[in-house]
Amino acid sequence: ETGVTQTPRHLVMGMTNKKSLKCEQHLGHNAMYWYKQSAKKPLELMFVYNFKEQTENNSVPSRFSPECPNSSHLFLHLHTLQPEDSALYLCASSQVAGTGVKEQYFGPGTRLTVT
Amino acid sequence: QKEVEQDPGPLSVPEGAIVSLNCTYSNSAFQYFMWYRQYSRKGPELLMYTYSSGNKEDGRFTAQVDKSSKYISLFIRDSQPSDSATYLCAMSAGTGGFKTIFGAGTRLFVKA
Repeated sequence: ETGVTQTPRHLVMGMTNKKSLKCEQHLGHNAMYWYKQSAKKPLELMFVYNFKEQTENNSVPSRFSPECPNSSHLFLHLHTLQPEDSALYLCASSQVAGTGVKEQYFGPGTRLTVT
Repeated sequence: QKEVEQDPGPLSVPEGAIVSLNCTYSNSAFQYFMWYRQYSRKGPELLMYTYSSGNKEDGRFTAQVDKSSKYISLFIRDSQPSDSATYLCAMSAGTGGFKTIFGAGTRLFVKA
């Protein structure tokens, strides 16, 4: 596989469930990102990992918990979500995070519906 | 005031038309300006990238940056139905921060 992959592509979960989103990049990058994309809203940066270290937590509620075991894998653990958390969750990677970042490579996203 | 403003559209044009997509921004520290294209059920992909002010051309696409007006544009010449997508502008300060700020995206439809 090439590029950035995300699983599952679609997820429906109840508010009391616990689930995880997975992202894997095959580009040799060192930075990985989670974004939330809601209809007609800008991409919202949630978390940034640079060389496996979390460098950004953009005031995300604690019901979202990221995990980055290595530079190629990124997880987003979900628990007790709210209906307003329904959105497309995009994973991205780049060579490094920081100065002069111009290109991020995005995965296809996980379409999450919270019922 | 939002850091980046982008008209969500939708914008509908006939095949062959010249398309103009625009964003305004408020942060004068932005130096890197990008345009991403996002097809339905796909993630965004980088289309054009410009550093500081000026124009950049790539085939049918031209990106313009006017830092004095805090205004960026993407022009598509001879638009094709395959150009139908959502176009996201994005920008970053590139001075050690990790944040790229995205616009909300403009939905473009090119009719055959």
